[in-house]
Formats: sequence, C-alpha cells, structure tokens
Amino acid sequence: LAKTTQPISMDSYEGQEVNITCSHNNIATNDYITWYQQFPSQGPRFIIQGYKTKVTNEVASLFIPADRKSSTLSLPRVSLSDTAVYYCLVGPHAGNNRKLIWGLGTSLAVNP
Amino acid sequence: DSGVTQTPKHLITATGQRVTLRCSPRSGDLSVYWYQQSLDQGLQFLIQYYNGEERAKGNILERFSAQQFPDLHSELNLSSLELGDSALYFCASSELAGFYNEQFFGPGTRLTVL
Repeated sequence: LAKTTQPISMDSYEGQEVNITCSHNNIATNDYITWYQQFPSQGPRFIIQGYKTKVTNEVASLFIPADRKSSTLSLPRVSLSDTAVYYCLVGPHAGNNRKLIWGLGTSLAVNP
Repeated sequence: DSGVTQTPKHLITATGQRVTLRCSPRSGDLSVYWYQQSLDQGLQFLIQYYNGEERAKGNILERFSAQQFPDLHSELNLSSLELGDSALYFCASSELAGFYNEQFFGPGTRLTVL
C-alpha cells in the first residue's frame, strides 16, 4: 500500500504561490500521483495527475522528483477561493487490489 | 457541474429507519463509487461498481448495501440507521475501473439521523 503523508494544514496569503508536498516513500512502479481539491460540503474535484517530472495545467503544477518518493502540488498566485482541502492519492490506473484510502488531506487557508 | 447527479440533496430520518440514496453517473462512465464523509473526517470509500457488478469494497457496514442497475445508475441502501450514520454521502463516477483514474463527484446527499 503506497501510504501518503501530507501536512494537516497550511496558511497562505492572496497572491502567493503555495506548495503542498506529499510523501509516498513506497510508491510502486506503476503508480500515478493524483491530487484533488475539496470545498466544504462539496465533492472533491480532480486537479492534476502525473507519473514523473513535471505536469502543468491551467490550475496547478505537479513536480515529481526522479525517485518519485514525494510530489509537490504548486498553486500559483492563490486567491481566497483556493481555500480548500487538498488530497494526494497514489495508485495504479489499472487494478484495484489495494485499498482506496483518501486520508485527511491538507487544509489550506488563504488569507486576505 | 461534474455531470454526476445525486438525489435527494438532504435527508432527515430517525434511528432504525432505512433510506435509499440515488446516483446517476456521467454519461458514458461505467464505474460508480460511494463514499461517506462525516464531520471533520476524510472521505471513507464504501464500495465500487463497474458496469453493473461489484468491483471493490471498502469500509462498508453490513447494514449498508448498494447496487448498480442496467442503465448504470446506482443506489446505496442504508438500514437500521444509527446516529453515527449522519454524514455526507458522495457518489463518484469514472470511465474506467481503476481507482486512480479521474473520478467525478456528485454534489452529495446530506443524511441526518435523529
């Protein structure tokens, strides 16, 4: 089981770049790294997914070092509306042999 | 809007009762997941169906059951309800069967057991 560890909470200010790191020391060869965002009382929303190096979309960037034992979600110039919980998941695209565990995520508070 | 619909939005019932939550996946998605999220807790995966068949089980209680119908909509049945079952219940869908493919979540059903 590729257990993930991420900070329980983070604080930031509007306009800053926020980096949330997730540790996954026993990531498997065929595992992908996926991040979701969840606002209060809403379902999570997919942000980004990657396998190695760097992935960027219109919302965020995902940095994955060569050993893949950690990953960093980068949110550029956050606004108040980025206040949410961010979940890091690690697992393969195919096969559901392992348990699906979301954990508590990282609660990001963006202040004015 | 994720394209996943859930009904009802809110449900208030008493202990010992039985309720049914309904989910319609995004068009074309064959996989449906059910999750429970209690106050200040993370998402607990309950069960997954893929194309009508149970695919994976998580922390689903024996008092809970689910099914996916030929039109791919799914229902989660909760019986002998207890106060601790009060939670947000989310349904998600995905095109493929693997957990770590992108899942699209519905707006949730808030269940309150009094």
